[in-house]
Amino acid sequence: GDSVTQMEGPVTLSEEAFLTINCTYTATGYPSLFWYVQYPGEGLQLLLKATKADDKGSNKGFEATYRKETTSFHLEKGSVQVSDSAVYFCALSDNDYKLSFGAGTTVTVRA
Amino acid sequence: EAGVAQSPRYKIIEKRQSVAFWCNPISGHATLYWYQQILGQGPKLLIQFQNNGVVDDSQLPKDRFSAERLKGVDSTLKIQPAKLEDSAVYLCASSLDWQATYEQYFGPGTRLTVT
Repeated sequence: GDSVTQMEGPVTLSEEAFLTINCTYTATGYPSLFWYVQYPGEGLQLLLKATKADDKGSNKGFEATYRKETTSFHLEKGSVQVSDSAVYFCALSDNDYKLSFGAGTTVTVRA
Repeated sequence: EAGVAQSPRYKIIEKRQSVAFWCNPISGHATLYWYQQILGQGPKLLIQFQNNGVVDDSQLPKDRFSAERLKGVDSTLKIQPAKLEDSAVYLCASSLDWQATYEQYFGPGTRLTVT
């Protein structure tokens, strides 16, 4: 079945450091790929998405490129801030349109 | 625009007791989802409604879990009787429609502890 594997955390960084969270997927069709973020005390919210191969999703300085050849959708940000501390979830939606989530990666950014 | 509302935010019950969670989706959203998020895992879809009809309940433990969406708006999720392994955060989400192109908006969740 469809599944998502993402980098285990927790990840701790200093402000202005470069962040990468790896995500790879397994799917039978041509899925859409998503990154969701959960800030402390808040609900999950969509961070960015890509619906086809080579698409790049971007938002709030975060980027991720849909790589069909490596079945990956890694999340990157060039310079993190304390406010980026959150749990990040990679997810996919295949032909049945259901979201399948990874286990989540906790990111803590220190001032 | 008001977001997805859920109540209660926290609930502690003993095993074999029953519990109910309530969700009010964003106005006009046809599709409503209930997810279970166990600590350290990603959310897992339990049931999906399109208006007041069930689209997918393949991962709902129907011997103890039930859900309804009356009049295609609010929804309740019930567990009866609860087991220790039901301890989790229960998330409600809604979207304009069911296709993946429509963003799902999540509520804050209800944290259930079964002792």
